[in-house]
Order: sequence, then structure tokens, then C-alpha cells
Amino acid sequence: GIQVEQSPPDLILQEGANSTLRCNFSDSVNNLQWFHQNPWGQLINLFYIPSGTKQNGRLSATTVATERYSLLYISSSQTTDSGVYFCAVELGGGNDMRFGAGTRLTVKP
Amino acid sequence: GAVVSQHPSWVICKSGTSVKIECRSLDFQATTMFWYRQFPKQSLMLMATSNEGSKATYEQGVEKDKFLINHASLTLSTLTVTSAHPEDSSFYICSARALTGANYEQYFGPGTRLTVT
Repeated sequence: GIQVEQSPPDLILQEGANSTLRCNFSDSVNNLQWFHQNPWGQLINLFYIPSGTKQNGRLSATTVATERYSLLYISSSQTTDSGVYFCAVELGGGNDMRFGAGTRLTVKP
Repeated sequence: GAVVSQHPSWVICKSGTSVKIECRSLDFQATTMFWYRQFPKQSLMLMATSNEGSKATYEQGVEKDKFLINHASLTLSTLTVTSAHPEDSSFYICSARALTGANYEQYFGPGTRLTVT
């Protein structure tokens, strides 16, 4: 099956710093989404981004489908950004999503 | 965006009993829903695909007789953990695809934390 690898596994930042999270996938995908899992377990949709670049406030994401990777950028990080960031891919229409192992981000005040 | 709810949000049960978890799409219809399981500090692992009006499709290694799935309507799927054991303690999350603009995106419920004593 498809492999989804995220890096780094853990990241500790000082408030205000910028960071880049990476997601590599081993096959062509129909969909790619980034999620933030908050401390209560809720998965929050960040981006639907099978290709191209999107920005939403301090967050932006880029997916280069031909090279099978996606990047999530967090600028001017805040303590509320802490949590686990997951990349998930969908192979084809109507299919489930396969998750990477996640990046655990801790932002210190 | 689309909203998926789950009930209950947490449950504690005794070993040997059964527990039912509900997953509802509140503002859209979902012919297909997905059930995931997440152990502490791990990623989400797909358990099964729930299909409205037909049998669920289970991932390899997931016991279909233990994890009963019923997708009775276009807005409701249920997962029943039968004869629960402590090793079934986990965080169970459902999801559904919804049309958002021009794209189908996955939306996840808030999860159900199951503790089996």
C-alpha cells in the first residue's frame, strides 16, 4: 500500500519562530489534506491540497504532486499551534484516507 | 464546512460488555463513512469502510464479528465493540467525505474515547 512519511516526528519551537513540516508519499494521490489534532483529539481540517499552494493566515501549504511531497509552513508560531499535525492522502475517488505518523509540535512561550 | 458528530465522546465499560458508538453527518448525506482507531501517541489507522445499505469493508486484521458496523441511513453509521476487552481501549474516530466547493474533502468526528476495565 501507499506509504506516507512525515518529518520531523517531533519539533519544539519558541513562540514566534517559523517551521516547515514535510510529508512524502509513495504513489500518485487523488487528495491530500493536512490536519491539526488538538489536545482533545479533534482533527481540524487545515488544507485540502492535492497540488499547488494555499495560504490561510499564518499557515500555508504546498504540494508538488509530480515529486510526491507536500510542505506545511507555520509562521510566527503561537502556543496554540501546539499539537500533532497529520498529513493524509486519498488514492482514488470514494476511498479512505491514509495517514502519516504525524509531527508533534510544541511551541513554548 | 461539513460537520460530523460522534456519541458518546467517552465511555467506560467493563470487560465482556458491548459498546455502541454513533457517527452522524449533521449537514450532509454520506453514502460512505470511515472508522479509524488511534492508540496513544500513534497515528490513525483505518478499521473499516461503512457503506450505506450494504456490508462494511474491513481492513486486514480487524475482526468483523468484534467490530460490528451498521450504516442504516445516509447520515448515521454505528460501530459496536462486542465483548470488549482492555486491549480494545482506544480513541475511535469516524469520518465522511463531503463536497466542499468543487472538491470532496474528508471531515472527522470529534472521536470517542473508550476505556475497558
